[in-house]
Amino acid sequence: DGGITQSPKYLFRKEGQNVTLSCEQNLNHDAMYWYRQDPGQGLRLIYYSQIVNDFQKGDIAEGYSVSREKKESFPLTVTSAQKNPTAFYLCASSTGNGETQYFGPGTRLLVL
Amino acid sequence: RKEVEQDPGPFNVPEGATVAFNCTYSNSASQSFFWYRQDCRKEPKLLMSVYSSGNEDGRFTAQLNRASQYISLLIRDSKLSDSATYLCVVNRNNFNKFYFGSGTKLNVKP
Repeated sequence: DGGITQSPKYLFRKEGQNVTLSCEQNLNHDAMYWYRQDPGQGLRLIYYSQIVNDFQKGDIAEGYSVSREKKESFPLTVTSAQKNPTAFYLCASSTGNGETQYFGPGTRLLVL
Repeated sequence: RKEVEQDPGPFNVPEGATVAFNCTYSNSASQSFFWYRQDCRKEPKLLMSVYSSGNEDGRFTAQLNRASQYISLLIRDSKLSDSATYLCVVNRNNFNKFYFGSGTKLNVKP
């Protein structure tokens, strides 16, 4: 099946810990995105990548980092500098021509 | 000013009702428009793209008004299963970024 997978579904972070969220797609899409959603709120863009080995900051990049070494993969690291990381994290991909975005099932990050 | 604005609702309607949502966007350079549906604690899923000529998919009709910079979604004969949050999404192709509204919550009651 073609699609986007995210893992884990739930992730617990301790104080001062870096954690990495996985996002993989087999849709052959060039563009990939990370969003954060807080309860009752809309999606906010963290980072996006239009092509391998290139990525741009979104609106709330502070405390996060990404890499895009392969077309299929766009992992997000939530660093200890992100003081309020509890949220629902969504990964998405698109062809990169302004066409539809498709989303993974999301990862819920909770702080212990 | 936000890129995309929506009435957060909630819209509470009985089954069988017709309900309409509007969404306004601020940048006239926007080129692609979409409606997504998001169920509680799930990822957004594409409901329909919105074309200049308007488009219909079963009970759902989407319209685009470029002059007034708004997009609408009409749902006819509402079903209980239509209860969800509806997100308006706009894209400016040259930046390949998508801008999301905060969503409009719909509750369809028996």
